[in-house]
Amino acid sequence: DAGVIQSPRHEVTEMGQEVTLRCKPISGHDYLFWYRQTMMRGLELLIYFNNNVPIDDSGMPEDRFSAKMPNASFSTLKIQPSEPRDSAVYFCASSHRVGGANVLTFGAGSRLTVL
Amino acid sequence: KQEVTQIPAALSVPEGENLVLNCSFTDSAIYNLQWFRQDPGKGLTSLLLIQSSQREQTSGRLNASLDKSSGRSTLYIAASQPGDSATYLCAAQGGMKTSYDKVIFGPGTSLSVIP
Repeated sequence: DAGVIQSPRHEVTEMGQEVTLRCKPISGHDYLFWYRQTMMRGLELLIYFNNNVPIDDSGMPEDRFSAKMPNASFSTLKIQPSEPRDSAVYFCASSHRVGGANVLTFGAGSRLTVL
Repeated sequence: KQEVTQIPAALSVPEGENLVLNCSFTDSAIYNLQWFRQDPGKGLTSLLLIQSSQREQTSGRLNASLDKSSGRSTLYIAASQPGDSATYLCAAQGGMKTSYDKVIFGPGTSLSVIP
């Protein structure tokens, strides 16, 4: 199993540009989580899906952020327009329940820099 | 709203020393508590998971305990090695006022083991 695959690994863009981050979860996992990590705020949960349906998006910072999961093998996190304060590492994690517990497997992350 | 904190934020110890990392959570009605390791520039790797009905879990030199009533968990690392140097994060799943599947992370403890 290749694990959770995220792309791009690094993205440098200018303020105002659209950014799309991609995630391929582990086959068979029915949960997908998007997190953002910064030095100041740590690892924040943005949104998570169950069976491709968004369950809780209360962590999405504002309307500039949107996430989709069109099928079980693909999810995107889009920022439009991007701002310098969006600079962070964005992690995708997938999971399946083991005895009721969500055992998360993380991707390597996408490091976003907005100039 | 579940909040997870970790003390200390950073720790430096000489090789061979035993050490304890602390994690606290505000909503004690969690479903489980997980400990992760993060190496610089990498994603997170799951170390141990303690179900709410359990008191502790062990894996090699690692032992994690859970006291739900006090909202605390500890990660004990025995005979520390330079290879243990990393950031350790705890994460709480669920809670009284939190979605069952939601996994909230603490800010992490940065551990440095000096040879």
